[in-house]
Order: sequence, then C-alpha cells, then structure tokens
Amino acid sequence: GAGVSQSPRYKVAKRGQDVALRCDPISGHVSLFWYQQALGQGPEFLTYFQNEAQLDKSGLPSDRFFAERPEGSVSTLKIQRTQQEDSAVYLCASSLSAGAADTQYFGPGTRLTVL
Amino acid sequence: GQNIDQPTEMTATEGAIVQINCTYQTSGFNGLFWYQQHAGEAPTFLSYNVLDGLEEKGRFSSFLSRSKGYSYLLLKELQMKDSASYLCAVSGDYKLSFGAGTTVTVRA
Repeated sequence: GAGVSQSPRYKVAKRGQDVALRCDPISGHVSLFWYQQALGQGPEFLTYFQNEAQLDKSGLPSDRFFAERPEGSVSTLKIQRTQQEDSAVYLCASSLSAGAADTQYFGPGTRLTVL
Repeated sequence: GQNIDQPTEMTATEGAIVQINCTYQTSGFNGLFWYQQHAGEAPTFLSYNVLDGLEEKGRFSSFLSRSKGYSYLLLKELQMKDSASYLCAVSGDYKLSFGAGTTVTVRA
C-alpha cells in the first residue's frame, strides 16, 4: 500500500518568506509526527497529533512554526518568516494507533533551504 | 532529558559482520527502535526491542539490555546496499528520541 508522502520534496526560500510543508500519512493512521533533521544528525521531535488534536508541540523551535491537522489526516507544517537556521530536512511520520510502542513510518522528507 | 550515543562511522567489507552499539539514558522507556536511512531517503524501520535479549530478523539482529541502557544492531553477510546511516531511537512516551546515526560504509 501507499506509504507516507510529503510535498514538496525540495523547497528553496528567501529569508523572511513563509513556507508550507505537506504530509499525507498512511490511510487510517491515528498518530502523526513531525521531526526536523539537520545534516549529519538524527531527527529531532517537533510536534505530535492524535487524530486532529495536537497533543504535543514542545519541540517547535519558535512561535514562527505552526502545524495543523484539521481533519485528522493530512497535516501541514508552516514556517513563517523563515531564517537560515530553519534549513533542514523536515520528516513526517505516522503510526497506526496512539501506543508508545507503535512503529512510526516515515515519509521521504522535505529538504528546506533558506537563502 | 534524553542522551543517546552511537558511533559516527563504521567501515566493513562485503560479506563481513558489523555491530553498531547504542547506549542511552532516557527519562522514560517504552522500547528501542533501529532505523536504516539511505542518503536523501526516509528512515525505514528495521527492528524493535522492549524486552531484554536478542531479536533476529534475517541478516539483521538487535539486542537490548535495559539494566545497562545498551543496545546493538548486528548486520551479517554485509552487502553493498547496506551502506547507509543506522539510527538508534528510544520511545519514551510516544515520540522518538534519536541518536545522531552511524554511517556504515561497505567496501568490496
């Protein structure tokens, strides 16, 4: 079946621009996660949704970052007034239920470059 | 807080065995995951351990010792396609905390 998809795969933004990154999780998956991965590092947690509810946004680096999942399926991560330090790969993952031991399945990521 | 350590790089020969160690100190523990990530691609699930001991899955095996805060991933009969980054991740409550990854290079 279809896995997690993300779009766009690559995004170049000028400093100060707003960007929106989309994630389509596996159909029927309850949990959705966003992670940020800097070059040569492991992914870092940003935020977590259970259906449409955003239960944890403790990893969002600043109030310029905003995520939503209004209908409990597709999610959008928005970054306002992008800065160079926002350059990274943004990974989306989904899991079937809300269990801590559930396997998370990752999308290919969006590589954001801020000039 | 979460502290997860793994070696940065390892090199091995095709057909050989490589063991990637991971040590962790975390505030909660609901299992340890290993993921494989090829450059520019999504991390893909390899294994999950929640109880002490060895889990074997084909050429890949993973071991966990909860009392020691230690895990390893064992890759046997290495193939060129195994050249990738291997990520150790601990599940605390629901989110994963990752190590920085170990880049494995397989040479002919």
